[in-house]
Amino acid sequence: QSVLTQPPSVSGAPGQRVTISCTGSSSNIGAGYDVHWYQQLPGTAPKLLIYGNSNRPSGVPDRFSGSKSGTSASLAITGLQAEDEADYYCQSYDSSLSGRVFGTGTKVTVL
Amino acid sequence: QVQLVQSGAEVKKPGSSVKVSCKASGGTFSSYAISWVRQAPGQGLEWMGGIIPIFGTANYAQKFQGRVTITTDESTSTAYMELSSLRSEDTAVYYCARDNSSGYYSLLDAFDIWGQGTMVTVSS
Repeated sequence: QSVLTQPPSVSGAPGQRVTISCTGSSSNIGAGYDVHWYQQLPGTAPKLLIYGNSNRPSGVPDRFSGSKSGTSASLAITGLQAEDEADYYCQSYDSSLSGRVFGTGTKVTVL
Repeated sequence: QVQLVQSGAEVKKPGSSVKVSCKASGGTFSSYAISWVRQAPGQGLEWMGGIIPIFGTANYAQKFQGRVTITTDESTSTAYMELSSLRSEDTAVYYCARDNSSGYYSLLDAFDIWGQGTMVTVSS
């Protein structure tokens, strides 16, 4: 059972904006630990999308953005494209578990 | 550009052990921490533990303490993950992943480079 909760699925039409939430607690996101986001296309390894709450690695389009507030974090995708259809995971550190934790994952569907 | 190349698929019997390798090529190996993350079929990602080769001390998720061993061989730029007492619930794709910061091991870092994954099937 993951300590970071995400909605199982979100969907949007091409060009729309979607957001994915990642809800934690005082022992992880609420404690100030960084949140990172990954995109996993079907049958492939995860790819780093956002690190340190809101930073994009080189090569990641600026359509992807991250934010954090309190015990939650969010990933926003603007100008949704067919190629964005994938699973998305948040990741942080949990002091109660003394280890890294992933969110439950969210499947993004482009209508 | 650094690449992580993992060993091939494995089929194991319940109660046995499996050892998966992850070889780094194209860049510095020793100063970046390597973690292992698994994904059961249709399920999410689960961090198992990690190690930074220059220090050699591994850190494990509580769930896997006593059952997993992570090691490195700096001479071949290879990291290993050995999981013992296998059961059917260990059937998963196992990934190695590199931290995005060098020179120290921080559990706060992200994973910027991933291996291609190794399927481990546990079946009698």
